[in-house]
Parts: sequence; C-alpha cells; structure tokens
Amino acid sequence: GEDVEQSLFLSVREGDSSVINCTYTDSSSTYLYWYKQEPGAGLQLLTYIFSNMDMKQDQRLTVLLNKKDKHLSLRIADTQTGDSAIYFCAESINFNKFYFGSGTKLNVKP
Amino acid sequence: GAVVSQHPSWVICKSGTSVKIECRSLDFQATTMFWYRQFPKQSLMLMATSNEGSKATYEQGVEKDKFLINHASLTLSTLTVTSAHPEDSSFYICSARVTGSVGEQFFGPGTRLTVL
Repeated sequence: GEDVEQSLFLSVREGDSSVINCTYTDSSSTYLYWYKQEPGAGLQLLTYIFSNMDMKQDQRLTVLLNKKDKHLSLRIADTQTGDSAIYFCAESINFNKFYFGSGTKLNVKP
Repeated sequence: GAVVSQHPSWVICKSGTSVKIECRSLDFQATTMFWYRQFPKQSLMLMATSNEGSKATYEQGVEKDKFLINHASLTLSTLTVTSAHPEDSSFYICSARVTGSVGEQFFGPGTRLTVL
C-alpha cells in the first residue's frame, strides 16, 4: 500500500488549538480524509478534502493541504476533553482503496 | 447520516472454529464494502474489497480461503474467519461506500474477535 505517516502522540491543554500532521506519498490521491476513533469504537469521518483544494474549514476543524509537499494537517480550535481520541488521516486513490496512517493519539488535559 | 452496523460487536471462540461477522448498511445501498483489520495501537489494514454479486478482491498477503467474504445483497456483506487461530484475534472493521458516491466510506463500529 501507499505510505501515509503521522506522529504518534499529541498532548494539549483544554482550550488550546491542536494541529495533527500527516504526510503521504502518492501524488495521484483524489481525496484525503480525517477520521476520529474513540476507544473500542469504529471510525467516524470528521472531514475530507479534495486534492485540488488548499484548505477546508468546518466549524472548529481546519484542514490544510500542501500538495507540493504532500502534507496534510488538521487543526482543531478550542480543543475540548471530548476531542481526546485517535485521529487517522487517509488517502484514497480512484475512490476505491483507502490507505490509513498509523494514527495520532490526541490527549487533552483539563 | 449513513449508518453501518456490525454484528456481533465482540466474539470469543475456540481455536479451530469458524466465526461469521456481518456488516450491514442500514439506510443506504452499498455496492462496495470493505473489510479492514486493526491490531492494537496500529492502523487499519485493508483486507479485501467486497462487491455485491461478485467475488471479493483480496489484498496481497490475505488468504482468501481463510477469510471468506460474501456480499449477497446491496446492504449486507459477511466475513467468515474459517478455522480461527489465536493469531486471528483482532478488531475487524467494515466500511461501506454509498452506491454512486465519489468516495466517502462509512465505517461500522467494529467486531472484536478473540480466539482462545
């Protein structure tokens, strides 16, 4: 599969902004996604961005895509304790196979 | 939003038995469903792509005789782990793509399989 890489851990204080980074290798990706996984649960789609976009904002979430550097980031504004979870970035090629990163565990301290 | 369910949510079985896991799209039709496997603290690994009415496409290294997939209707795909062994213990997650959509997948809650 394709290589999608993320840092493993991020710790922030409640109210701060969180930035989770992801790099991918395949330049033919059509969509890039951010998913959230809470303990023992499946994946919840947070947001996605089409590969010809640079930025997408959805309430507290901002996705930035640098296609030249193959770098994707997810910014969570005003991070809450309920945001503590594992966040996966994923890329899809031709809308079929998804390749996931290893996940970033976000810990929000009260 | 689109809902995908899995049944059972967890199962414990003896080594050598077979286990069937169901994946259902509750409020939409899914021509294509995907089966993933997730080891503790690791990412999801795509096992196979399941297409309604045809044979599943397996990823390299996944034994198709070991992991039988049947996608008999537009709302149901099943994964059967045959002759399960302890190394098959894992979290199995399915996802479904809305027929005619441009790529969004909706994930089930996962099934925790423990083989003793």
